[in-house]
Amino acid sequence: GDSVTQMEGPVTLSEEAFLTINCTYTATGYPSLFWYVQYPGEGLQLLLKATKADDKGSNKGFEATYRKETTSFHLEKGSVQVSDSAVYFCALEIGQGAQKLVFGQGTRLTINP
Amino acid sequence: DTEVTQTPKHLVMGMTNKKSLKCEQHMGHRAMYWYKQKAKKPPELMFVYSYEKLSINESVPSRFSPECPNSSLLNLHLHALQPEDSALYLCASSQVSGARQTQYFGPGTRLLVL
Repeated sequence: GDSVTQMEGPVTLSEEAFLTINCTYTATGYPSLFWYVQYPGEGLQLLLKATKADDKGSNKGFEATYRKETTSFHLEKGSVQVSDSAVYFCALEIGQGAQKLVFGQGTRLTINP
Repeated sequence: DTEVTQTPKHLVMGMTNKKSLKCEQHMGHRAMYWYKQKAKKPPELMFVYSYEKLSINESVPSRFSPECPNSSLLNLHLHALQPEDSALYLCASSQVSGARQTQYFGPGTRLLVL
């Protein structure tokens, strides 16, 4: 079935470091792919998305490219800040109309000053 | 505006209580969702409403009863819950027509069952 595998955390970096969080997926067809972020004590916020192969989603300095050949959607940021500390979820959508999201397990990121 | 609101923010209830969670959106979305999220886990889908009709029930116990009274509101009625039902309950909404739709989440209701 459809699934998402995320890089296991937790991940701890220093401020201004380069960030990569790996995400690979298994799906029939060509789903849309998403990154959601969850700050402590809050709900999920959409960070970025891509709807077809080779699309690049970007927001707040984060980027991810939909790679069909490697079935990946890795999240990157060139210079992280303390405020980026959160849990990051990779997800794919299945179905049409009212969709179902399949989430990865989440990666907890901590940025130290 | 991509806001989904949820009330209450926190809820403590006993196993014999009846309570309700409320979710509201004014984005014109016709699909609404309930998720349950345990600590350090991803959200798990519970129910999906499409055009105010229940379209997906992920085998959720009957002590959880969803209701969609109109296109902007989604309720989750709770009765005779168990301590293991303590979790963050998230509501989301999206467009229905066509694929490639994005779900927008509310801040959640943190539920504690004693």
